Amino acid sequence: QQQVKQSPQSLIVQKGGISIINCAYENTAFDYFPWYQQFPGKGPALLIAIRPDVSEKKEGRFTISFNKSAKQFSLHIMDSQPGDSATYFCAASDKSTSGYALNFGKGTSLLVTP
Amino acid sequence: DGGITQSPKYLFRKEGQNVTLSCEQNLNHDAMYWYRQDPGQGLRLIYYSQIVNDFQKGDIAEGYSVSREKKESFPLTVTSAQKNPTAFYLCASSMFEGGELFFGEGSRLTVL
Repeated sequence: QQQVKQSPQSLIVQKGGISIINCAYENTAFDYFPWYQQFPGKGPALLIAIRPDVSEKKEGRFTISFNKSAKQFSLHIMDSQPGDSATYFCAASDKSTSGYALNFGKGTSLLVTP
Repeated sequence: DGGITQSPKYLFRKEGQNVTLSCEQNLNHDAMYWYRQDPGQGLRLIYYSQIVNDFQKGDIAEGYSVSREKKESFPLTVTSAQKNPTAFYLCASSMFEGGELFFGEGSRLTVL
C-alpha cells in the first residue's frame, strides 16, 4: 500500500502566489524526506530534502516544513512562476528496508497561470 | 557529462514478447534502481541493486527481471508474464544507500 500519501492531486496557482503540497506518512522509521520535480517526458530531479532533526528547510523560493509528531511534511513554493509548472513528488525512506529505496507519493500536478 | 542513460526512449512490443530496457550510468554510483511510473500512481519500485552481482525485489517485481554484472549497467527485462507492462520506466542511481537519487530520462513502453 502507499506508504506516503500526497495531496492535492492537482493544483492551479496564479503567478506570484504560494503553492502548497502536503504529504503524510505512517512509518516512524522514515528518516529522509525529499521532494522531486518532474517535467513532462523527463525523469524526476531532486528539488529539496529534509531530515527529521529540523522542522524547516528553505532553499530559495522552496521551503519544506516538517511536523514529526503529526507525521506530515509539506512543500511551499513562494512567488510561484509559470516555469514551476511540473509534477511534484514527495518521498520518504529509511535505512532498515529496501536498501533505502524511496517510497514516493502519487504526485501533484502544479499549473502556475500567468 | 556524467549521468544516467536509458534506451530506448520509446519502445513498442507485441503481447507475449520479452523486452529489455537498458540503463547505463557513468557516475560511479554503487546503488541502482528501477521504478515504474503510471499516471496518478507515483513511482513504484521494481528492483534495486546495491552492489554488483546482487539485487533485490521491490514492491512490484512480478513479471520483471534484472541483472547487475557491471557497476555501470542495470538492464531491466519486462517479460511476457507482466500482465500490464505499458508504462513509463525510470532508472535511477545513488552514490550510496540513502543518497540523492539521480534519474534517467525514462523509457516509455507500449504493448500493442
